[in-house]
Amino acid sequence: DAGVTQSPTHLIKTRGQQVTLRCSPISGHKSVSWYQQVLGQGPQFIFQYYEKEERGRGNFPDRFSARQFPNYSSELNVNALLLGDSALYLCASTVDPFGEQFFGPGTRLTVL
Amino acid sequence: AQSVTQLGSHVSVSEGALVLLRCNYSSSVPPYLFWYVQYPNQGLQLLLKYTSAATLVKGINGFEAEFKKSETSFHLTKPSAHMSDAAEYFCAVSDPEGKLQFGAGTQVVVTP
Repeated sequence: DAGVTQSPTHLIKTRGQQVTLRCSPISGHKSVSWYQQVLGQGPQFIFQYYEKEERGRGNFPDRFSARQFPNYSSELNVNALLLGDSALYLCASTVDPFGEQFFGPGTRLTVL
Repeated sequence: AQSVTQLGSHVSVSEGALVLLRCNYSSSVPPYLFWYVQYPNQGLQLLLKYTSAATLVKGINGFEAEFKKSETSFHLTKPSAHMSDAAEYFCAVSDPEGKLQFGAGTQVVVTP
């Protein structure tokens, strides 16, 4: 079975632009979580979705938004990009919100 | 609130020597604790998890961790380091909603 997939792999944007990151969970997994990993730090929780509903949100500004589609894939949107948004964005999927989280390879976002 | 603290941002070990990575947790409820490994330019891979069953948890690649409630610790060990163990290691605690809180990570360097 395929693991969690994320696209694109790398992305370069300039300040003020908007970006959309995509995540496809493992088949049969209904919950997706997003994490931001700034260089040299541990991942920080951004969002969790289950059955297309938001179940949790971390301490991130409203510039960050996400959604989950009927096929359980998910998008993370970031508006008005700042230099500090440069990071590796990780997606994790689980069968349900309390299950073992399986991580994708991440999307490396660079904001210039 | 749950949190973890990893002691030591960098650890250097000789090939064949003991690997010891330290993690202390803070949790208002019985914790679920995890160790993840991250190889360069990759996502996170689960090494092992503690979910209140046995206090000594065995994981993949020869790693194990011991949960010590009295010390609020969950240290990760491997008896004999291999070159392939060079990576970054993250300790994490799960909150009651299933969201992970990660430590800052420990970079392991293995020398011949």
